[in-house]
Order: sequence, then C-alpha cells, then structure tokens
Amino acid sequence: DTEVTQTPKHLVMGMTNKKSLKCEQHMGHRAMYWYKQKAKKPPELMFVYSYEKLSINESVPSRFSPECPNSSLLNLHLHALQPEDSALYLCASSHDQESSYNSPLHFGNGTRLTVT
Amino acid sequence: KNQVEQSPQSLIILEGKNCTLQCNYTVSPFSNLRWYKQDTGRGPVSLTIMTFSENTKSNGRYTATLDADTKQSSLHITASQLSDSASYICVVSPLYSSASKIIFGSGTRLSIRP
Repeated sequence: DTEVTQTPKHLVMGMTNKKSLKCEQHMGHRAMYWYKQKAKKPPELMFVYSYEKLSINESVPSRFSPECPNSSLLNLHLHALQPEDSALYLCASSHDQESSYNSPLHFGNGTRLTVT
Repeated sequence: KNQVEQSPQSLIILEGKNCTLQCNYTVSPFSNLRWYKQDTGRGPVSLTIMTFSENTKSNGRYTATLDADTKQSSLHITASQLSDSASYICVVSPLYSSASKIIFGSGTRLSIRP
C-alpha cells in the first residue's frame, strides 16, 4: 500500500459543484505536489508546496485552488470545473524539493475525477 | 528542449516471456533516470534509479540499463507475470534541478496475456 493516501478514490461532480480532494502523508516529507494525469499521458505538474508554502503554480486555472493546512495534509479545492478537467489527480510527496535523487517522489493512488 | 521518448507505446506479450522497453532522452546535463511502474488507476511506483555513472540496476525481475553517452535506457523484464501488466514510465532529472523539474516520458503500456 502507498504511504501517500488520497481521498476520495472516485469523484463525480457537476460543473456548478464545489468539492475538495484530500491527500495525507506521515513520512515527514516537506514537499507535496499535485499532478493531473489524462488517460495514456504522463502526469502534468500543477502545484508544489515546500515547507507548507506554495512554491510552484504551473499556470493552473483559478478553478483549482490548493491548500496546505499542515506539513502532512494537502487539499485541492475544485469549483466550476469543466468536463475537460476530468482526469486522475495524483498527489505526491518528497523529503524536500531540492534533489530528485535523494528525494524521490512518492505517489498516492489518485482520485479519479469525472466532471459532468 | 529536454525531452524523454519511450518505445514502444504499447506491447503485448505472453506470460513467462521476456521483454525490453526503451527510453531515449535529450536531457542535458543529466542527473539521474528513474523507471516507474503504474498500475491502472493507481499512482506510479519507483522501480529503479540510476545516475550517469551507473550502467545497470536490478530490482527482482526488472533490470534497467543506462548508456549516458547515447542517452538511452532500457528496462528488461524477465519471466513476465500477469501482474506486470501496467504502464512503465521513464523519468529523467536534469542536473542541479529540483524534484519538481523531473521530465516524464509518455510511458509504455505493457499487457501480459496468459
């Protein structure tokens, strides 16, 4: 089982709904990430939090709003999404953001989001 | 432009057979290369990691090779099992870059048939 836990596993929402995705890790990692993955495509980076502060926003539309309440939790708030936002949303964590060799990404199993 | 290309896009083999997946990259300078396995509907899991000075790394029935001169890597799977059915993603890290700057290949979708 993965050490990064994501809930819910599946989510279906309408374009006017507000929902949140949750991610939790207890490995003491200080960097946390949100990725979006469309079918048969590699993950695309959305946001990075480092020491609970937003360090990278890859020009993500404002209908996606990340939040890092503490070092173990990462949320992604969703509002007024479009059908093309349907995808697998992956959370990941790493010891820190500095070195990819010493600080590999640990992925959760994702939330399968469908926007109707 | 830093790119990572994988081939084939998809592969079907019979259970018990061996297979080799390819990864070519243009990332330079290069720090390390990692192979991930991603089961359908789940997150990627790291299989192996190699720096530019390493030629081969094994993890059970998985063996990765790296030729830093030609910028090519391969993942060899021996005696395939049904549970090997998954996408295999090659991920390359540029030198002096943060963990967020890793570059993903598009993956090879491997199907093992009984």
